[in-house]
Amino acid sequence: SAVISQKPSRDICQRGTSLTIQCQVDSQVTMMFWYRQQPGQSLTLIATANQGSEATYESGFVIDKFPISRPNLTFSTLTVSNMSPEDSSIYLCSVEGPVVYNEQFFGPGTRLTVL
Amino acid sequence: DQQVKQNSPSLSVQEGRISILNCDYTNSMFDYFLWYKKYPAEGPTFLISISSIKDKNEDGRFTVFLNKSAKHLSLHIVPSQPGDSAVYFCAASSDRGSTLGRLYFGRGTQLTVWP
Repeated sequence: SAVISQKPSRDICQRGTSLTIQCQVDSQVTMMFWYRQQPGQSLTLIATANQGSEATYESGFVIDKFPISRPNLTFSTLTVSNMSPEDSSIYLCSVEGPVVYNEQFFGPGTRLTVL
Repeated sequence: DQQVKQNSPSLSVQEGRISILNCDYTNSMFDYFLWYKKYPAEGPTFLISISSIKDKNEDGRFTVFLNKSAKHLSLHIVPSQPGDSAVYFCAASSDRGSTLGRLYFGRGTQLTVWP
């Protein structure tokens, strides 16, 4: 299975600021995803990070609020822009492929608190 | 609208006995189901999965049962061990060809196994 690291592991931010979360994988992967888990809720997909092209966003999530980069097959960033307390969540990246496609592996998550 | 539901937020079981975690889904297009285990401050860890063409999949102490007509699956852990204490998430995927793509998660069940 892929080994995934995320930075930062946690942060406390002020309203109106932005935070960029990094996801690094120890091997080249085909699919990378960003999920959010709000307190007491399930994990919800924000977007699929596409290498070399714009991310594909799920309903309810927009690029201006959650810009995503994926410059290569092992790295991606998610920015949470103009934060409000409602953005307080755990943000997780996950990966799939290129060998095994019936499993998704998750990073340890970034716990974000917005004051 | 929650398409994957875990109606029991918590379950407490004595060590050595069976743990049964339940999951219901509403989308008949789901054709692949996964269970993840999550410890505090860590990302979800893949546990076991099942395709809709099967009704049972077993891996050591873990067995997943799928009842398509009832849109219900369950995870059995036998025998339960204190190290199994974690939050268990049920997830589902609809047919996207060769990849899982977006996973739809339940809200999780906190399993506590006591000595």
